[in-house]
Amino acid sequence: GQQLNQSPQSMFIQEGEDVSMNCTSSSIFNTWLWYKQDPGEGPVLLIALYKAGELTSNGRLTAQFGITRKDSFLNISASIPSDVGIYFCAGRPIQGAQKLVFGQGTRLTINP
Amino acid sequence: DAGVIQSPRHEVTEMGQEVTLRCKPISGHDYLFWYRQTMMRGLELLIYFNNNVPIDDSGMPEDRFSAKMPNASFSTLKIQPSEPRDSAVYFCASSLQTGAIGNTIYFGEGSWLTVV
Repeated sequence: GQQLNQSPQSMFIQEGEDVSMNCTSSSIFNTWLWYKQDPGEGPVLLIALYKAGELTSNGRLTAQFGITRKDSFLNISASIPSDVGIYFCAGRPIQGAQKLVFGQGTRLTINP
Repeated sequence: DAGVIQSPRHEVTEMGQEVTLRCKPISGHDYLFWYRQTMMRGLELLIYFNNNVPIDDSGMPEDRFSAKMPNASFSTLKIQPSEPRDSAVYFCASSLQTGAIGNTIYFGEGSWLTVV
């Protein structure tokens, strides 16, 4: 089935640093979503992107829907301890529009 | 507004036993999804419903798994008989009808299943 390649798999940073992660696909998606999962919880939606080229911010988070519709990135500026968790990208392919395909996740660890 | 509600949050059961996971979607949502999360395979879609009707169950691993949605506010995922390799976190999620801007999927907190 379709898969998303999410990188990096893990990140170890200092508090205050900026973070960047991305997802790529071999096929076109018409929606990109970024979720964060805290330990013991379900994924929570951070940002949703619906148009190629769209750049959207949510506080310190910024995400973009790639022009080719095959990639997306998420940036976190000035990281804080509560940013720790696993970040997932998810895409909705053209075919099977209700089915979200998830990346493998980026585990973010922050040293205070 | 209440989110997606799942029960039980945690279950430990013996191999061979029947397991039933329950889900109440967000009121008004037309779509309901069951996902499974493991370290090895990440988040996998098992099955999804539209207006209580199963649309795609191609992700259901085998006949031991079954899912039902008897009404718009309730769904179950059943494993019978359970096996240790079924140990995972099972998420229920719901969304509004496709095509609309803002049609994103909202997850419950998950049911953490351990089969020993």
